Amino acid sequence: AQSVTQLGSHVSVSEGALVLLRCNYSSSVPPYLFWYVQYPNQGLQLLLKYTTGATLVKGINGFEAEFKKSETSFHLTKPSAHMSDAAEYFCAVSDQSFAGNQFYFGTGTSLTVIP
Amino acid sequence: DTGVSQDPRHKITKRGQNVTFRCDPISEHNRLYWYRQTLGQGPEFLTYFQNEAQLEKSRLLSDRFSAERPKGSFSTLEIQRTEQGDSAMYLCASRPMGLGEAFFGQGTRLTVV
Repeated sequence: AQSVTQLGSHVSVSEGALVLLRCNYSSSVPPYLFWYVQYPNQGLQLLLKYTTGATLVKGINGFEAEFKKSETSFHLTKPSAHMSDAAEYFCAVSDQSFAGNQFYFGTGTSLTVIP
Repeated sequence: DTGVSQDPRHKITKRGQNVTFRCDPISEHNRLYWYRQTLGQGPEFLTYFQNEAQLEKSRLLSDRFSAERPKGSFSTLEIQRTEQGDSAMYLCASRPMGLGEAFFGQGTRLTVV
């Protein structure tokens, strides 16, 4: 069974400060991991994904995440927060089967950027 | 490629009425998902299609909910006898076979009054 835990439902950072959003997963098989961002009344937009290969993945808008198998984590970071980064962020896990399979989403972290 | 399209974007309905939502996936994406999202929560899986076949359905899904994907193209989600607890954002996503991510539509926000 797959599951995702996002620690911290609300995170506030100052503009220009480091952004760190935490995600831990549970999976019985090697997972695919994703971070999505959602702006108010919008659908989800992919920030980045980990499937295979390099464990440090870079995404859009300066975000990156590192897959750490030993810690079952996939934390999202950005060196310098921008006002436009204020949004809801969701971590998701999917397994490596080709049988389709759903995404399992965390409960989300709301990021506030303080000017 | 215009992305995943959902219609309508907003729907207000009276309790007890039936509603139907439509999703047009990205062409060539043979996998299609429906999710429900309530305020402050992550998307919750409802059902999954591969081409026209409905391969997976959440055990939490009431029998008032039904989904179809005729001919493996667009999909519809119908809710019969709506209840106030059905008020949520309904998200559709499509995904190619293989390692690709899911692409989401902008959702349909349902309000049951």
